Amino acid sequence: GENVEQHPSTLSVQEGDSAVIKCTYSDSASNYFPWYKQELGKGPQLIIDIRSNVGEKKDQRIAVTLNKTAKHFSLHITETQPEDSAVYFCAASRDTGRRALTFGSGTRLQVQP
Amino acid sequence: NAGVTQTPKFQVLKTGQSMTLQCAQDMNHNSMYWYRQDPGMGLRLIYYSASEGTTDKGEVPNGYNVSRLNKREFSLRLESAAPSQTSVYFCASMKGNQPQHFGDGTRLSIL
Repeated sequence: GENVEQHPSTLSVQEGDSAVIKCTYSDSASNYFPWYKQELGKGPQLIIDIRSNVGEKKDQRIAVTLNKTAKHFSLHITETQPEDSAVYFCAASRDTGRRALTFGSGTRLQVQP
Repeated sequence: NAGVTQTPKFQVLKTGQSMTLQCAQDMNHNSMYWYRQDPGMGLRLIYYSASEGTTDKGEVPNGYNVSRLNKREFSLRLESAAPSQTSVYFCASMKGNQPQHFGDGTRLSIL
């Protein structure tokens, strides 16, 4: 089955700096890669996703890049703000069959004011 | 629209007790999922239902049963709770190739 590894487990940055979180996956058939943000006491909320037919996607301060050959994808947050502090999860799935997500272990991002 | 609603939000059980976690979605989604989240780990799939009337095992199904009552509701049952089932349980739903939407979870402690 699919295995997703995520690094780092914790990340502390100064407000205004950039943050990068990296994930690798094992199943070459995976073709959908979402990123979720989880705040304390809440469920995961989708912040951005990418499919394997594109290499990069951007939404304001958030971008995701995908390297299919190397089987890794990354989340980039620019101009970080204190409200970006949360736990971020990457995930991978196929667009066929059960479409269940395999999650990374999460990155706790702390943005220092 | 409420999205995905889970009840209860918190529960404490004794070992051996049974319990059903409820999940309902109002987005007319076909697929529904149950995940568990343990400290330092990502969410892991317990069971899923691709459509009304069908259910299938995920990665960690042992000790659980599910029922897809109708298109809106997907329940998770612990027949004889064990301390290893202490976790936060998340329900999610999805339609087609759209992203999965998650509820806010049920925090379950088993003593």
